[in-house]
Amino acid sequence: SAVISQKPSRDICQRGTSLTIQCQVDSQVTMMFWYRQQPGQSLTLIATANQGSEATYESGFVIDKFPISRPNLTFSTLTVSNMSPEDSSIYLCSVASSGTGELFFGEGSRLTVL
Amino acid sequence: AQSVTQPDIHITVSEGASLELRCNYSYGATPYLFWYVQSPGQGLQLLLKYFSGDTLVQGIKGFEAEFKRSQSSFNLRKPSVHWSDAAEYFCAVGAGGGSQGNLIFGKGTKLSVKP
Repeated sequence: SAVISQKPSRDICQRGTSLTIQCQVDSQVTMMFWYRQQPGQSLTLIATANQGSEATYESGFVIDKFPISRPNLTFSTLTVSNMSPEDSSIYLCSVASSGTGELFFGEGSRLTVL
Repeated sequence: AQSVTQPDIHITVSEGASLELRCNYSYGATPYLFWYVQSPGQGLQLLLKYFSGDTLVQGIKGFEAEFKRSQSSFNLRKPSVHWSDAAEYFCAVGAGGGSQGNLIFGKGTKLSVKP
């Protein structure tokens, strides 16, 4: 298993601002994944972050809105840019078990945009 | 299209009663199936997973799930629910293997436990 730490755990932000979420893993991993969980909804994959290359975004998500960095094999950041109330969600970082595809999750970052 | 359906949005059971949470999936290939639990303010914790072999899988906290290919189902069960089981439960399906991270999640079932 992997231990994943996210910061901040929660934040309240003003419309139009940006916030960067950090994700630290206790072991080296090839890919890290960012999910969004909107209120009362399930989890949706935003993007896959590979070290040394640009992130791969899922349909409906764009780099300008959710820029991602992956400077090394244990760390990644997700920025939520130009926030609006619709961006109020829990953002979760995850990594996969190399053999099974099982995902391990951080505790999430709960963003509220006013 | 690939999808996961959890037909029950909210279930309430009495402490000590049995529990079954339903999950149906639509997936083109042989699925890898997962159940996760999310306690309030927490991230997701894996309860159990199915890849192949015995269709009845055991997980943590006394949970089990049965894979039924003919019904495209992977229902979660527990014989006796404890108050600490109150949480939200998510069923997920994926391709498995390698470092695949794109699991498809159901919308979740919120479990309430009454004394």
